[in-house]
Amino acid sequence: GESVGLHLPTLSVQEGDNSIINCAYSNSASDYFIWYKQESGKGPQFIIDIRSNMDKRQGQRVTVLLNKTVKHLSLQIAATQPGDSAVYFCAEKDSGGGADGLTFGKGTHLIIQP
Amino acid sequence: GAGVSQSPRYKVAKRGQDVALRCDPISGHVSLFWYQQALGQGPEFLTYFQNEAQLDKSGLPSDRFFAERPEGSVSTLKIQRTQQEDSAVYLCASSQGRGSPLHFGNGTRLTVT
Repeated sequence: GESVGLHLPTLSVQEGDNSIINCAYSNSASDYFIWYKQESGKGPQFIIDIRSNMDKRQGQRVTVLLNKTVKHLSLQIAATQPGDSAVYFCAEKDSGGGADGLTFGKGTHLIIQP
Repeated sequence: GAGVSQSPRYKVAKRGQDVALRCDPISGHVSLFWYQQALGQGPEFLTYFQNEAQLDKSGLPSDRFFAERPEGSVSTLKIQRTQQEDSAVYLCASSQGRGSPLHFGNGTRLTVT
C-alpha cells in the first residue's frame, strides 16, 4: 500500500554542521507535509510544515524542501546543536482523506557528534 | 499555555485487565486524535474526533478498543481485556481544525504483562 518512509534510520553529524534528513512518499494525493521531532520519552513536537503548492519553506534554522516530481521531502537543519538529537518523522496528509489524521514514516534518529 | 496533557504517564496492566487512558487537549481545539506508537516505529492513527463526534475509527485494531469524547473536550481511550500486543505508547494530539498542525501530548506508556 502507499506509505511514507525514510531513507536512513540513523544519521550522525558533527556539531555545527548542517543536517539533511530525507523522506520519500508514495501517495500522490498527499497535499500537506509535516516534520516532527521526538525526543526520548516525549511526544512528537511540530517543527515545520509545507503544503503541496510550495516547494520550499524556511523556519528558524530549519528548511523543508518538497519535490513533488519525485515525491521527496527533506528537512535541513543548519548549524546542528546537541539539542537537535532526536528522532525525526515526516508525516503526510491525503487531500482526499475525511479526517485530519496524518500518516507517519518510521523516523530517522539524528545523532550529534561533539 | 498548557499543551496536551495525558494521564497516566505509565500504566502496567496484567493481561486481561481493562485500562482507561485520559487525554486533555489544548483548550479550544476541536480536533482530537489518538495514535499508537510501537517501540522504534512512527505513530499509527487510531481514531479521530471533531468536537464530540467520532468521525473516523478506522485505525482501532479491534473491538476491544473504544474511545469517547462526550463533551467535546477530554477524551478517554479504553482497552478491554488487554493483550501483550497492546503494549505501546498511546499518544493523543489535538488541533484547531482541518489543515492545522497536530500538537501531541507526551503519551501513556502501556505495558501489558
